[in-house]
Amino acid sequence: TQLLEQSPQFLSIQEGENLTVYCNSSSVFSSLQWYRQEPGEGPVLLVTVVTGGEVKKLKRLTFQFGDARKDSSLHITAAQPGDTGLYLCAGTSDNTDKLIFGTGTRLQVFP
Amino acid sequence: EAGVVQSPRYKIIEKKQPVAFWCNPISGHNTLYWYRQNLGQGPELLIRYENEEAVDDSQLPKDRFSAERLKGVDSTLKIQPAELGDSAVYLCASSSVDRQPYEQYFGPGTRLTVT
Repeated sequence: TQLLEQSPQFLSIQEGENLTVYCNSSSVFSSLQWYRQEPGEGPVLLVTVVTGGEVKKLKRLTFQFGDARKDSSLHITAAQPGDTGLYLCAGTSDNTDKLIFGTGTRLQVFP
Repeated sequence: EAGVVQSPRYKIIEKKQPVAFWCNPISGHNTLYWYRQNLGQGPELLIRYENEEAVDDSQLPKDRFSAERLKGVDSTLKIQPAELGDSAVYLCASSSVDRQPYEQYFGPGTRLTVT
């Protein structure tokens, strides 16, 4: 069974701080996606990474796919209250479209 | 383009009652998914359709859950009878197999409360 463990599970920080969320597995994934979900809404796709070692930037968010394609990280610089939400990583394997979701990281950014 | 549409957004029912959820995927997306999400957790796949065919329903509790996707567009998910443990958010997502890597786009979900 493929599992994606996220850490930390919860994170409360002040506006302006930096943070990193980790997504780890013992399995290899063909792609890794990051979603953000706000209360009462569905997950919104932020980024997809497919190549080992790949780094993608989305404004203040930096996503990295591990060299072995077993792990990923999301780094947020100068967090803002609008970054508050549930962050989910999700992986696909063997060129299928079945998404395996991580356990989630709930981020709260206080003004 | 319009996103995935779901209705209703909220539903409160008593246990043993039936309930149905509706989903309209993004136009042109031939793959449709139903997920269940418990509070603070990631979504768990219930069923996946490619066009009108259910290609993965291994996680669907078939004794009380059913789904259909007539004409390969809209889909409905039904629970009959509902149990207290069915309280969750039911998410619909769609994707296009013509676009790799496979990226799924989610609707806002239906929050079900069973009392």
